[in-house]
Amino acid sequence: DGGITQSPKYLFRKEGQNVTLSCEQNLNHDAMYWYRQDPGQGLRLIYYSQIVNDFQKGDIAEGYSVSREKKESFPLTVTSAQKNPTAFYLCASRSGRGSNEQYFGPGTRLTVT
Amino acid sequence: QQQVKQSPQSLIVQKGGISIINCAYENTAFDYFPWYQQFPGKGPALLIAIRPDVSEKKEGRFTISFNKSAKQFSLHIMDSQPGDSATYFCAASQSWGIGSGTSYGKLTFGQGTILTVHP
Repeated sequence: DGGITQSPKYLFRKEGQNVTLSCEQNLNHDAMYWYRQDPGQGLRLIYYSQIVNDFQKGDIAEGYSVSREKKESFPLTVTSAQKNPTAFYLCASRSGRGSNEQYFGPGTRLTVT
Repeated sequence: QQQVKQSPQSLIVQKGGISIINCAYENTAFDYFPWYQQFPGKGPALLIAIRPDVSEKKEGRFTISFNKSAKQFSLHIMDSQPGDSATYFCAASQSWGIGSGTSYGKLTFGQGTILTVHP
């Protein structure tokens, strides 16, 4: 059963704590992306990675960090420096072979209080 | 110049009607225009996409119309059904190179349209 998995589906944290969101894909896709979704604002790109051991900042990278040690995994850490971390976080991947079709995971809803 | 503006923010249609969502862009280098459908609490799913070498693409009840000179593209949902009720996002990106050497830029998304189809 191929696809993108994100865990957990719901995550609750206290303000000031770092939290890591998981994203795994078994599609053998080269590129992976993290987006943040807030009501009425569409999807905003946080970080992306075209290949293993390489990643670039997106439009709203401040307060976030990522790693890409394995092709199938692209975890996102929301640090305490992120001023407004409560949001719906979406991971996506793209095959990287002649296609710009991005496929999304089911998302993680993070609530920080 | 990287913005994609989407309208309307929300749309209510009767079952069997036509739903039309519009997007406008500024960057003339954009060459890939997908539409995504998202149900509450789920990730977006790729619905249909178009490249600027065609003016229209149809897949079932879903049609993209593309107007390169006006820098606009739209999604038409024919015979709208209650199951089509979802949030729809347009997006755009550009590419460089050809064939296996093609590089792709990031997707820029519109703000989304909440579609409600009444039975």
